Order: sequence, then structure tokens, then C-alpha cells
Amino acid sequence: DQQVKQNSPSLSVQEGRISILNCDYTNSMFDYFLWYKKYPAEGPTFLISISSIKDKNEDGRFTVFLNKSAKHLSLHIVPSQPGDSAVYFCAASARTGANNLFFGTGTRLTVIP
Amino acid sequence: KAGVTQTPRYLIKTRGQQVTLSCSPISGHRSVSWYQQTPGQGLQFLFEYFSETQRNKGNFPGRFSGRQFSNSRSEMNVSTLELGDSALYLCASSLTTGIKVYGYTFGSGTRLTVV
Repeated sequence: DQQVKQNSPSLSVQEGRISILNCDYTNSMFDYFLWYKKYPAEGPTFLISISSIKDKNEDGRFTVFLNKSAKHLSLHIVPSQPGDSAVYFCAASARTGANNLFFGTGTRLTVIP
Repeated sequence: KAGVTQTPRYLIKTRGQQVTLSCSPISGHRSVSWYQQTPGQGLQFLFEYFSETQRNKGNFPGRFSGRQFSNSRSEMNVSTLELGDSALYLCASSLTTGIKVYGYTFGSGTRLTVV
């Protein structure tokens, strides 16, 4: 059962506009959320994270929003650049128990110049 | 410093065979985790090793196993390969166990194709 879901397999955005990638989760024990970016033939690289005690975290062009009541988080990229074209994975870690991450299936972002 | 190194990068095996994949973590990192990436399932956790001990295991059959050596290098083994084992296998290293504090660095993966 997929505990972290990314329902949009792909997204296309014009350069300079905002990209919004969405992620939903089902496990209320998740308390730490991360976004990873993956280029072809490379491993995922960490982008930004957020703890469940916050509802927003910003790092340059990247902002992650967390809505705990809706069990939803989103990644905003403003402005989008062609180099942002990649697959983005949402991931979550549980409050207790093991330290592994639960990943979504990814969203392929294409930024059109 | 050198990143996480996975070898080989690509592998083709026949159904029923076994395979061993290798991961060298970042120098000084003591925790190694393995993930399987497939198109429909995303990344799924296989296991984590820390100080040569398996600390955590995902929901995979016993055909999937691993180990960690005293220098923190890790290997994973898949026996009696099935077509469905075709995937990208990713290794992630961390300074110590505890994703919230220390985070992961992923390797580029080993692409396994079972024919």
C-alpha cells in the first residue's frame, strides 16, 4: 500500500512561471518530509525538507508547504528554470520506529524554455 | 570528497541466477541503506545497515539480503532472480543512523535487468 502518493506523473511549465508539485500521505505517524530531485542516470539528490512542527520552509526558489490536517504537502519552484527539469520525489519519515523513508512514485517536471 | 559509489552500473542476469551489488559509502559514513526503484512503485526501502548490523528491513522476500563490512562498505544479494527484480537499485549513505538529522546521500544506482 502506497503511503506517499504523487498523483501527477508529469507536469510541464513555462520557464519563469511557478511549478507546483503535490504529494499526499496517509500515515499520521509521518513527522518529517523531504523532496528529492533526480536526473537520469544519477541518484536522487536532496532538495528541501520540512518538519511537521512547521507549515512552510523556504530555500531560495524552493518552498515546501505542509498541510497536516489534509495530509498534503507541495513543492513550489519560483521562477522555474530549464535546469529544474527532472523527476521530483516526495518522501516521508515516521515519528517512531525505523529511520527509512517512504517515497512517492515521482513527478516528472519539464520546464519549457 | 568522493560520493557514494555503486558498482556495477549496469547488469544483465538470467532468471534464476543470483546477483551481488556493491556500495561504498562516503568516507566516514557508517549507515548504508538500500532502495529499489521501479516505474510503478517509486523507491522502496530494502534494508539499512549500521556498524555491520542490519537495523531495519523493508517488505521484501528473503531472496533479498545484504551485509556490511567493517569499512562500512555494503553489498546486497538477490538470489533466484525473477523478471520482476529488474529495477534500479540505489544505495544511500548517512553519517549515522537517523534520517531526520543526518540525511542521505544517494549513489547513482545499479541498473539490473533480468531476462
